[in-house]
Amino acid sequence: DAMVIQNPRYQVTQFGKPVTLSCSQTLNHNVMYWYQQKSSQAPKLLFHYYDKDFNNEADTPDNFQSRRPNTSFCFLDIRSPGLGDAAMYLCATSQERGRRGYEQYFGPGTRLTVT
Amino acid sequence: AQKVTQAQTEISVVEKEDVTLDCVYETRDTTYYLFWYKQPPSGELVFLIRRNSFDEQNEISGRYSWNFQKSTSSFNFTITASQVVDSAVYFCALGELYNNNDMRFGAGTRLTVKP
Repeated sequence: DAMVIQNPRYQVTQFGKPVTLSCSQTLNHNVMYWYQQKSSQAPKLLFHYYDKDFNNEADTPDNFQSRRPNTSFCFLDIRSPGLGDAAMYLCATSQERGRRGYEQYFGPGTRLTVT
Repeated sequence: AQKVTQAQTEISVVEKEDVTLDCVYETRDTTYYLFWYKQPPSGELVFLIRRNSFDEQNEISGRYSWNFQKSTSSFNFTITASQVVDSAVYFCALGELYNNNDMRFGAGTRLTVKP
C-alpha cells in the first residue's frame, strides 16, 4: 500500500543534542510537509518542500532545519533541542500544494521527548 | 487572514447517538477548500473529506455526512449512530487558493463515544 512512513515512532534525546527525524513516502507526491503538534493542540506547519523548493514558515525557529535529498525522503533536523521542542512531529505529503485543493496524507508521527 | 473555529473542545456521547461537530471558518478568498481529518489515539491524521468553495452540495459517506453552508461559513460534520471506534480528535481545516501556506487547522474537537 502506498503510504507515508516515519521513523522512529518514538525518539528520546537530551537537551541540546541534535536529533534527526525521518519521513519517507511511496505516493510519489510533489509536496512534503513537517508539522509540530503539542498535546491537545492543532498541528502547526513548520515548513514544506515543493519538489526541491524549500518553504519555511515565518515563525519556525532557526533551530529547525529540513532536507529533502530525493522525492521519497524528507528529514527534520533539530539542531539543539530544548524542553519546549518535545512534541509529536508529523510528516505529510500531497500531490500538489494545498492552494490547489489537494488533501494531505499524514504519517503516524514521531513523538519526541527531550530530557 | 484565514481562520478556523471549532468551538466544541470536547464532546461525549453514548454509542448509537448521533453527533455533530461544528466548524466555522473565515476567509476573504472566493476560492478555498475545506477539509476534515480524524486523529485517533494512535496519532495519525486520517483524511476524511475535501470540499471546494464552489460545491455546496452536502455529502454522505456511510455514517458520515457533511453540511457545507457558505451563508453561515460553516462546514459541519455529523456522525450517525456513533460507535466506540469513532472516538478521536477531529480537525477541520481551511486552504485558500492564493495562499501558499496551505492548510490551517482548527483547534480540534475531541469526541468520546462510550459503550
